[in-house]
Amino acid sequence: AQKVTQAQTEISVVEKEDVTLDCVYETRDTTYYLFWYKQPPSGELVFLIRRNSFDEQNEISGRYSWNFQKSTSSFNFTITASQVVDSAVYFCALSEAGGSEKLVFGKGTKLTVNP
Amino acid sequence: DARVTQTPRHKVTEMGQEVTMRCQPILGHNTVFWYRQTMMQGLELLAYFRNRAPLDDSGMPKDRFSAEMPDATLATLKIQPSEPRDSAVYFCASGLVQGGAYNEQFFGPGTRLTVL
Repeated sequence: AQKVTQAQTEISVVEKEDVTLDCVYETRDTTYYLFWYKQPPSGELVFLIRRNSFDEQNEISGRYSWNFQKSTSSFNFTITASQVVDSAVYFCALSEAGGSEKLVFGKGTKLTVNP
Repeated sequence: DARVTQTPRHKVTEMGQEVTMRCQPILGHNTVFWYRQTMMQGLELLAYFRNRAPLDDSGMPKDRFSAEMPDATLATLKIQPSEPRDSAVYFCASGLVQGGAYNEQFFGPGTRLTVL
């Protein structure tokens, strides 16, 4: 069975600090996709990134970066120089091969960035 | 700007009443998902369809929930009778699977349901 664990329930940082959100997954599939979604206080789910299981290259997008390590089944998300607007709940998710298959979500990490 | 739309955005009803939630997937997407978000369970899949056919509805309480796609532009999730424990935010998402090509899921804004 597939499972996603986000051990950090809540994180609070001060603006401009770097913060890393952890994600550990379990799957028996050899081909799978990993995702991060952001849910701001307004409630919508905003897609941030997807990564397939064959691509272990780290990715950087502005202040966001992702570290995928198959050896430890982890897909961690780092925000550099955090801003108040980054305050949200962040979800890590996993899907089977194909991408547009059902997502299994972690419980989410609530990030609060204080001014 | 293609988006998934959901109606209603908010619904307050009394226990025992029927509730119908609607979703319009992004035009051209062939896969539609219903997820439910609660504080206790987090985000969980209820059901999903491909080309209007149900692929998996194992996450849905069968006795009171039903999901359908009357046509390619409309997905519905119905609860009858509703119970207070059904109070949650219900998200619809759509995506495209075609010849192995991948497309991420796009989520609608959700329907916040409160059952009194």
